[in-house]
Amino acid sequence: AQSVAQPEDQVNVAEGNPLTVKCTYSVSGNPYLFWYVQYPNRGLQFLLKYITGDNLVKGSYGFEAEFNKSQTSFHLKKPSALVSDSALYFCAVSPYTGGFKTIFGAGTRLFVKA
Amino acid sequence: NAGVTQTPKFQVLKTGQSMTLQCAQDMNHNSMYWYRQDPGMGLRLIYYSASEGTTDKGEVPNGYNVSRLNKREFSLRLESAAPSQTSVYFCASSEGWTSGRGRETQYFGPGTRLLVL
Repeated sequence: AQSVAQPEDQVNVAEGNPLTVKCTYSVSGNPYLFWYVQYPNRGLQFLLKYITGDNLVKGSYGFEAEFNKSQTSFHLKKPSALVSDSALYFCAVSPYTGGFKTIFGAGTRLFVKA
Repeated sequence: NAGVTQTPKFQVLKTGQSMTLQCAQDMNHNSMYWYRQDPGMGLRLIYYSASEGTTDKGEVPNGYNVSRLNKREFSLRLESAAPSQTSVYFCASSEGWTSGRGRETQYFGPGTRLLVL
């Protein structure tokens, strides 16, 4: 079955330190990969996506993600965390043959401490 | 440009009652989606509409119906609400024009919190 895993329910990091939010997937073919962020009582907002090409994708608010085909991973990273980055982060995968059925991970809550 | 709007923001229902969640987008998008969000489970697709005039089931369609009223509006109806339908519901839209149709960036509304007693 096709799936997306975010192995950490919560990630804690100090402000100014680098952060990583992990995502692995099990999908056939060459999927599109996304990261979305959700702030409290808000809908999801697009951060970045990978379609093809360079394995390092840059997105909004200084975030980037590294695609690793051999490990089927798409980890979200940021060199220096801000308190305002605290939110719920979702990895999502759109399978090549899945049409409109994007698969979302369960989400990882990022907490950045001042 | 409001993006994707949803009404109501919050609703309490009794078991067996019916209600319709409304969604509208002003981005001229072709495709629209309804998701539910439950703790620890991410978002699960209920129904989607690839384009005006078409609707299809997603992962968890049971207990729901949808209507693509026009290009802008996509409603979700609960005919007989059950406690298992307590959730946060999100509507989303995407362009639906590109070769990656169905795999594009989605734009989400603010959500509707539904409590079924």
